[in-house]
Amino acid sequence: AQSVSQHNHHVILSEAASLELGCNYSYGGTVNLFWYVQYPGQHLQLLLKYFSGDPLVKGIKGFEAEFIKSKFSFNLRKPSVQWSDTAEYFCAAPEGDSSASKIIFGSGTRLSIRP
Amino acid sequence: GAVVSQHPSWVICKSGTSVKIECRSLDFQATTMFWYRQFPKQSLMLMATSNEGSKATYEQGVEKDKFLINHASLTLSTLTVTSAHPEDSSFYICSARPPARGNEQFFGPGTRLTVL
Repeated sequence: AQSVSQHNHHVILSEAASLELGCNYSYGGTVNLFWYVQYPGQHLQLLLKYFSGDPLVKGIKGFEAEFIKSKFSFNLRKPSVQWSDTAEYFCAAPEGDSSASKIIFGSGTRLSIRP
Repeated sequence: GAVVSQHPSWVICKSGTSVKIECRSLDFQATTMFWYRQFPKQSLMLMATSNEGSKATYEQGVEKDKFLINHASLTLSTLTVTSAHPEDSSFYICSARPPARGNEQFFGPGTRLTVL
């Protein structure tokens, strides 16, 4: 069964610092991977997704993530964070190969940016 | 495109009453919708998968008689919390899966339920 792990529970950075949030998944079949963001008081939004092709995926707001199959990882990165990036970030992956598979979410990483 | 709405955005009710939450896909048809529960500062927990025209599939530990799900049309799923108690207070989020988008889901804004 799929499991998704986010090792950083709470990350605190200053503005302009670089960001990397870890995500590891366990299922080795067909890989679809997602990063979602939840800004304070708002609903979940898709940051980026990986289905196939280039393992370096670019998303909205300057975020990118790299799929490394050998490490079962899909870490989220941003070269220079802004105060507005303060939010909760969730990594997610389907439970199985089927397009009807339910999505498994990681425990989330809270990102706090000091102005 | 791919907008999902929820109504109401927040509700306060007395213990023992029932509350209905609606989830609508506004610009696409969704044969499958999902209901999640999110406790403060925690991740989303899948409660059930709602399939249009058939019974919902509940996750282990979720009481199907307490959390009634109806997916009567391709754009509407409802979650009814029956005989609500304070421990049911939570943030309930629905999502829908547009056709031809694989596993990708689009999320509603959530409903904050407070049971007094």
